[in-house]
Amino acid sequence: DTGVSQNPRHKITKRGQNVTFRCDPISEHNRLYWYRQTLGQGPEFLTYFQNEAQLEKSRLLSDRFSAERPKGSFSTLEIQRTEQGDSAMYLCASTPGKKAGQGLDYGYTFGSGTRLTVV
Amino acid sequence: QKEVEQDPGPLSVPEGAIVSLNCTYSNSAFQYFMWYRQYSRKGPELLMYTYSSGNKEDGRFTAQVDKSSKYISLFIRDSQPSDSATYLCAMSGTGGFKTIFGAGTRLFVKA
Repeated sequence: DTGVSQNPRHKITKRGQNVTFRCDPISEHNRLYWYRQTLGQGPEFLTYFQNEAQLEKSRLLSDRFSAERPKGSFSTLEIQRTEQGDSAMYLCASTPGKKAGQGLDYGYTFGSGTRLTVV
Repeated sequence: QKEVEQDPGPLSVPEGAIVSLNCTYSNSAFQYFMWYRQYSRKGPELLMYTYSSGNKEDGRFTAQVDKSSKYISLFIRDSQPSDSATYLCAMSGTGGFKTIFGAGTRLFVKA
């Protein structure tokens, strides 16, 4: 297992276009998270999946954003009608979730991110 | 006021120095405290993970949590140029899954 994989690494798109990013988590991890990071800031929570179920979405995730995790494996994040304010690094992370007898694991393994530039 | 406050730096130190990085927070529900290291154009990498108050040591790194003061620290001993990165504090509540990150402190270790 090579860790959390994100594709593409970079995406430049024109304002108004739709974009889709993919995340492949560590195979045995059942929790998957999307975060957004802008320059000089820490990552901000967008959404979270437990297996295939999307359990929480941030208010940051407007109606133009949608995320899926079919079959509880890889996940996609789509942004429709992109705006310049969407320019950021989109980070995916995964965790094993609850381990038997060990409680919850809060330490994320992040991917290298997808850097989106909207021009 | 942000839930997690972290001085953005930059912090510049000579090689071999002891580095102290700090964060304060306002939400008393936070129970899990993490430090991540992020190199330029890379995703954050988990360095230290602590539950509740106390100290935790791992090699050259020591994490401290003082819940009474809502204050966490990361100490780096014998700092190396390879430690030059942005250090993010992060925290989460019991049963929660959303982690709140600080803005990060940029550290430069000069050879």
